[in-house]
Amino acid sequence: RKEVEQDPGPFNVPEGATVAFNCTYSNSASQSFFWYRQDCRKEPKLLMSVYSSGNEDGRFTAQLNRASQYISLLIRDSKLSDSATYLCVVNSLSGAGSYQLTFGKGTKLSVIP
Amino acid sequence: DAMVIQNPRYQVTQFGKPVTLSCSQTLNHNVMYWYQQKSSQAPKLLFHYYDKDFNNEADTPDNFQSRRPNTSFCFLDIRSPGLGDAAMYLCATSLQGGYEQYFGPGTRLTVT
Repeated sequence: RKEVEQDPGPFNVPEGATVAFNCTYSNSASQSFFWYRQDCRKEPKLLMSVYSSGNEDGRFTAQLNRASQYISLLIRDSKLSDSATYLCVVNSLSGAGSYQLTFGKGTKLSVIP
Repeated sequence: DAMVIQNPRYQVTQFGKPVTLSCSQTLNHNVMYWYQQKSSQAPKLLFHYYDKDFNNEADTPDNFQSRRPNTSFCFLDIRSPGLGDAAMYLCATSLQGGYEQYFGPGTRLTVT
């Protein structure tokens, strides 16, 4: 089982739609979780941090289910500017005692006019 | 604005010719990371510095080295670039291990 798994998509949705991405992780001891967005040929940018059961920021809602080891990202009222790849990132303590981020391969979203 | 800066943004080097990529930060973060990202793949961690302590990933080739002369700067040295090293190289920082990471704009390396 891959450490962090995401549906690669692409998700093609019309403007105004609600879209949800899921992400599963294998390390039950994972500490914290993040969603990043990455535009084509650009760097990842932090979208949301998820430390407890969830987080909401405007149109974006992230939820964490530790028992089932998955994180979701919900985008409401999609905008054209939301088109990007969304990376699920999981933070865990490595065997060497340092923290390590593990990235999913990302889910590509295209919002269509 | 506090930020993570990478230079150059685009680098072309010849097969086997050493190249150095640089990263600087004004965030005063303790941890600095170097990632390699190839097309349609997730970023792959090469190594990181926690303050002055260097942490190498087990599968990072010896061809890749890093230096952190002070808190603000970190360098990635590729001693003998191969065609397979062509990629985007991302520098990131975090206040402490386990916190959010903030990425620079990346350096896109081409090997000819």
